[in-house]
Amino acid sequence: SQQGEEDPQALSIQEGENATMNCSYKTSINNLQWYRQNSGRGLVHLILIRSNEREKHSGRLRVTLDTSKKSSSLLITASRAADTASYFCATDAGGGSNYKLTFGKGTLLTVNP
Amino acid sequence: DTGVSQNPRHKITKRGQNVTFRCDPISEHNRLYWYRQTLGQGPEFLTYFQNEAQLEKSRLLSDRFSAERPKGSFSTLEIQRTEQGDSAMYLCASSLGQGARGYTFGSGTRLTVV
Repeated sequence: SQQGEEDPQALSIQEGENATMNCSYKTSINNLQWYRQNSGRGLVHLILIRSNEREKHSGRLRVTLDTSKKSSSLLITASRAADTASYFCATDAGGGSNYKLTFGKGTLLTVNP
Repeated sequence: DTGVSQNPRHKITKRGQNVTFRCDPISEHNRLYWYRQTLGQGPEFLTYFQNEAQLEKSRLLSDRFSAERPKGSFSTLEIQRTEQGDSAMYLCASSLGQGARGYTFGSGTRLTVV
């Protein structure tokens, strides 16, 4: 079953613009992770935010986490055509779930040059 | 060690045939996971190993599916008597410990059952 739900399902922007993707989840978590997947390829880990953190940065990525609303957002600043991919949030519910990840359905981001 | 390796990349098989996929994780990672992904969906958990022990299996893993990880190294996922509904991308991932730095995924094996 899918734990997270990303919003929007698809996003199309111009190069240089910022892209924001949202994720909502259902149960309490140990951490939340974002992954990128290029078409037909495996997933690449982007960033992990722990349940006691509210914001985290990595290069052009900014992730926020609101555990009271069970939601997270991923912001990609100054987007590039190479950022075109599907983006997934994944939740780790901790020891009760054996620390496995549960993924959402993803947001398909298209960055037009 | 260049990452998680999966073989084959693509597999086309006739319905009813058996198929086996292989995953070579990052050598120092003790946890190995199998996920299945269908078109337009996120990956769904199938099973995971800690070293050589298979610690959890999803309800998605019917009796026709079996996974092994002998000696806690590479892993194989076998599907017996394949059905068209088994067509999907099968992803393998590994992590060190509880995955506090995230998982490393392979490129996947795309299975098409005709």
